Amino acid sequence: AQKVTQAQTEISVVEKEDVTLDCVYETRDTTYYLFWYKQPPSGELVFLIRRNSFDEQNEISGRYSWNFQKSTSSFNFTITASQVVDSAVYFCALRSSGSARQLTFGSGTQLTVLP
Amino acid sequence: EADIYQTPRYLVIGTGKKITLECSQTMGHDKMYWYQQDPGMELHLIHYSYGVNSTEKGDLSSESTVSRIRTEHFPLTLESARPSHTSQYLCASSENTEAFFGQGTRLTVV
Repeated sequence: AQKVTQAQTEISVVEKEDVTLDCVYETRDTTYYLFWYKQPPSGELVFLIRRNSFDEQNEISGRYSWNFQKSTSSFNFTITASQVVDSAVYFCALRSSGSARQLTFGSGTQLTVLP
Repeated sequence: EADIYQTPRYLVIGTGKKITLECSQTMGHDKMYWYQQDPGMELHLIHYSYGVNSTEKGDLSSESTVSRIRTEHFPLTLESARPSHTSQYLCASSENTEAFFGQGTRLTVV
């Protein structure tokens, strides 16, 4: 069985602050993929990043960075110098390799960036 | 840029009506999915498909049905809508890794 836990239900920050969204996952598979999606108020889910279980290199892309720690089963997401447009619900997701079905989502973290 | 489209975007309909939510993708993906999501809540998989003529039920029991006659098209049908069906329905497609989502259909049954 797979499970994704996003313990932070809601986070509020003031513009220009850095914010980290936590994600912890459980899987018995040795090969899997992790994802972050953003869901703005308009409702669509926007794919942000994918990480393979065998690639623990962390990445920075503009104001976004991701920290994948296999030892602690965590895949955290940081926004640097947050902006009001970053306000959205962010979902962490997990898929096991070879399974079309098993895309498991966390419960989401509502991020509000205040001006 | 993902090319997956859902129509209608918003739908308000009376109890007992039959509705079909449309989903189309132009990426040639074999795998397609329907998720149900209440506002601000987690996504629940209700249907998925590995390819043409393949459909399976997801984790969340749903009274809806789906069909997959063409690769690019994965419509969802409710034979008799009820207020409990009020929700957002998100369609997605994927090749092997990340899934790409449509904009969703917000359904309200009155």
